[in-house]
Amino acid sequence: SYELTQPPSVSVSPGQTASITCSGDKLGDRYSYWYQQKSGQSPVLVIYQDNQRPSGIPERFSGSNSGNTATLTISGTQALDEADYYCQAWDSNTGVFGGGTKMTVL
Amino acid sequence: QVHLVQSGAEVKKPGASVKVSCKASGYTFTSYEINWVRQATGQGLEWMGWMNPNSGNTGYVQKFQGRVTINRDTSISTAYMELSSLRSEDTAVYYCARRDDSSAFDIWGQGTVVTVSS
Repeated sequence: SYELTQPPSVSVSPGQTASITCSGDKLGDRYSYWYQQKSGQSPVLVIYQDNQRPSGIPERFSGSNSGNTATLTISGTQALDEADYYCQAWDSNTGVFGGGTKMTVL
Repeated sequence: QVHLVQSGAEVKKPGASVKVSCKASGYTFTSYEINWVRQATGQGLEWMGWMNPNSGNTGYVQKFQGRVTINRDTSISTAYMELSSLRSEDTAVYYCARRDDSSAFDIWGQGTVVTVSS
C-alpha cells in the first residue's frame, strides 16, 4: 500500500520560515494536500492540488510537490500557526495520510 | 454556510456496533462524496472509506473491509458510518469530510468520540 512519511516534529521561531516535508514514492506524479489541525479541533484544508490555497487561508502558506517530496512552507510563521500538519494524497481512490508533523513556534 | 454536523459521543462494549451520522447542509448533498476519517487519541489521521451520495457506491480501505458500512439517506442529507465487532483499538474520534471537485477534504464534521470499553 502507498505510504507518506513526515517528520514527527519541527520547530520554528516567530517570523521565520517553516518547511514541512512529505515523502512518498513518485509523489510528484499525483496531487498533494495539506491539513492543519489545532488541538481539540477538526482538520482544516490549507493547501490543495500541491500549491493552491483555499479562500481564507493566509498567503504565508504555500506548497510544492516534485519527485518524491511535497513541501508545505509557512513564511513569517506566527504563534497561531502552531498545530499538527498532515499531508494527504490519493492512491487509486484510496485516501492516504502522512503520519503528521507537530509544528512548535517558540 | 456549508456544514457537516455529526451525532454525539458513543460508549460501546467490545463486540458491539456503532453508527455515526453526518448531516450535510448548505449544499446539494448528492453532489459531493462523503469520506470518513478516524483519529485515535494522540495519533494521526486514518482514512476509512468513501461514499458517493448520488449513486450510493462505496469504497473502504482493506483494513476495515467487512466491518465498516457507509450509507446514506438522501431525503435528510445524512450519511452514516457503521463499524461492527468493535474492539478497544477502535476508540477514536471519527470524522466525516466532504471531498470537493479538487479531491480535497474541504469541509469536515466536528468529530464524534467513540469509546469502546468493557
